[in-house]
Amino acid sequence: AAGVIQSPRHLIKEKRETATLKCYPIPRHDTVYWYQQGPGQDPQFLISFYEKMQSDKGSIPDRFSAQQFSDYHSELNMSSLELGDSALYFCASSISSTGELFFGEGSRLTVL
Amino acid sequence: AQSVAQPEDQVNVAEGNPLTVKCTYSVSGNPYLFWYVQYPNRGLQFLLKYITGDNLVKGSYGFEAEFNKSQTSFHLKKPSALVSDSALYFCAVSLMNRDDKIIFGKGTRLHILP
Repeated sequence: AAGVIQSPRHLIKEKRETATLKCYPIPRHDTVYWYQQGPGQDPQFLISFYEKMQSDKGSIPDRFSAQQFSDYHSELNMSSLELGDSALYFCASSISSTGELFFGEGSRLTVL
Repeated sequence: AQSVAQPEDQVNVAEGNPLTVKCTYSVSGNPYLFWYVQYPNRGLQFLLKYITGDNLVKGSYGFEAEFNKSQTSFHLKKPSALVSDSALYFCAVSLMNRDDKIIFGKGTRLHILP
């Protein structure tokens, strides 16, 4: 069965650079979520989209932005990167009626 | 706002013994409750969920959880632990709204000792 696809799996950037993470949800899933998981931390909700519209916003810095495109894939854009942005970034998708999230394998961002 | 508490950072259980990973929640309405498992450097995998109905929910890999409304708890259990169950376990909650986000607890690291 198709799963949530995230790319790239690993990314190394310098401080103040920009990074873009991509997420391809499971087909026919109508909701996409982005989570950030720091080392040894629980996943922190960043932002979500329902049917390509932003539906909720969590602890996402102003330097970050995200969108969902017509083909339902989503991108998380991170600018002016800081050392503290180093983390695993997870994308998840769901069918809103079930509540269950399906997670991708994550994109590990390292900021040097 | 909803929140989840996992009071134990780590739980150690001998292989073959029953295990319990505790979770309590706080929501202002009726909750969806979930358990996810995470292996090192991997995404979270869904184990089970409670939405409505029977308070005892059975999930993947022999895990089950009991919803207790009066105690606002949703403890994860397994009758006989396996070494391969060693992982990080997250309890999560969301409200029964169409597009509500899921909030995770801090996680409990489960060590199954051979």
